[in-house]
Amino acid sequence: DTAVSQTPKYLVTQMGNDKSIKCEQNLGHDTMYWYKQDSKKFLKIMFSYNNKELIINETVPNRFSPKSPDKAHLNLHINSLELGDSAVYFCASSQNRDRAEYGYTFGSGTRLTVV
Amino acid sequence: AQSVAQPEDQVNVAEGNPLTVKCTYSVSGNPYLFWYVQYPNRGLQFLLKYITGDNLVKGSYGFEAEFNKSQTSFHLKKPSALVSDSALYFCAVDDYKLSFGAGTTVTVRA
Repeated sequence: DTAVSQTPKYLVTQMGNDKSIKCEQNLGHDTMYWYKQDSKKFLKIMFSYNNKELIINETVPNRFSPKSPDKAHLNLHINSLELGDSAVYFCASSQNRDRAEYGYTFGSGTRLTVV
Repeated sequence: AQSVAQPEDQVNVAEGNPLTVKCTYSVSGNPYLFWYVQYPNRGLQFLLKYITGDNLVKGSYGFEAEFNKSQTSFHLKKPSALVSDSALYFCAVDDYKLSFGAGTTVTVRA
């Protein structure tokens, strides 16, 4: 069983569209994250939820809206997609919101291409 | 803010030679430090972490890292590199979220 799974794996869409990426973890973790990896491979935190509560909200355009229906799921919705949103988006989870003594588990990523 | 730096964009070594990937950190308090590896078109895989205890940390795939408080470094090492170790390596610090270095591309030539 995949611990942190993201869908879709690849997403190609036109500018101006709205799209969602889904993430699910079956580890029983309380905290989930979204990271963005840009074309230069830089990885940066976007959001974090702890047990459905938003706890980290970095400087991200408000076209990006995370939603956590329960602590096992964290989805990312993006409105009015722009070329600059093209990136790989990684979901991750950790046991709780404290520093992760037991580490972070990452999904395999969603490669978003905006054309 | 806590941060890590990877001073080398690329490291090239011959198979069988020692491999070192450098990382320095800037943190207040006790650092939680991690190494992750990313193979082409793949996700991030955990290699090892330093939380507390022994300064030499052993991880997956024969990798180890040495925590050096006086030099604020956490270099990743492997005694004998394999071609299959060619990948992108990230150092990261845990500040209630992971903050990553810029990554180091390792190429191991046969």
